[in-house]
Amino acid sequence: EDQVTQSPEALRLQEGESSSLNCSYTVSGLRGLFWYRQDPGKGPEFLFTLYSAGEEKEKERLKATLTKKESFLHITAPKPEDSATYLCAVPILTGGGNKLTFGTGTQLKVEL
Amino acid sequence: DGGITQSPKYLFRKEGQNVTLSCEQNLNHDAMYWYRQDPGQGLRLIYYSQIVNDFQKGDIAEGYSVSREKKESFPLTVTSAQKNPTAFYLCASSIQVGSLNQPQHFGDGTRLSIL
Repeated sequence: EDQVTQSPEALRLQEGESSSLNCSYTVSGLRGLFWYRQDPGKGPEFLFTLYSAGEEKEKERLKATLTKKESFLHITAPKPEDSATYLCAVPILTGGGNKLTFGTGTQLKVEL
Repeated sequence: DGGITQSPKYLFRKEGQNVTLSCEQNLNHDAMYWYRQDPGQGLRLIYYSQIVNDFQKGDIAEGYSVSREKKESFPLTVTSAQKNPTAFYLCASSIQVGSLNQPQHFGDGTRLSIL
């Protein structure tokens, strides 16, 4: 069964303390992976698309990487405004076309 | 600015009542989607539409209905048959369904509660 698993469920960091979030997936044939950021009471905001193993994308303090089995979202020297839930999603091939399957997210809290 | 507008932000439903959630996009996207988000669960797909006057059931369509009469609009009706409607509902759009390099863009959601 196609699955997307994110870990940890929650992460608390001090400002400036770098860390990584994990998204592992079991799908038949990698077709890409999306990362989103979601603030409380808001819709997910698109961050990155990764297509092939070895690919990396960067945006400010965030860097996303992709292997054949998982993706990492590295957060370098985080600030309190980076606090949010980070979601990953993978396209799954169905009879109706590719549809996104989402992980349950990692809730990040960055403290002063 | 281009984007997706969902309304209302908060909605309350009485027993036996149908309620309709609005979703409008001005991104000129062909595909639109409705998701439900519950605490501790990933987003679950309710319905999606690839083109005007066409839509398909997602993973949890029971108790919901949709229409797609205009490219810009994809309203979701939560019917009285949906016994556990309390959730955060998210509408999304993308250039087309099945396009691997085009992400879905989301509105800011409607929170539905039972009175």
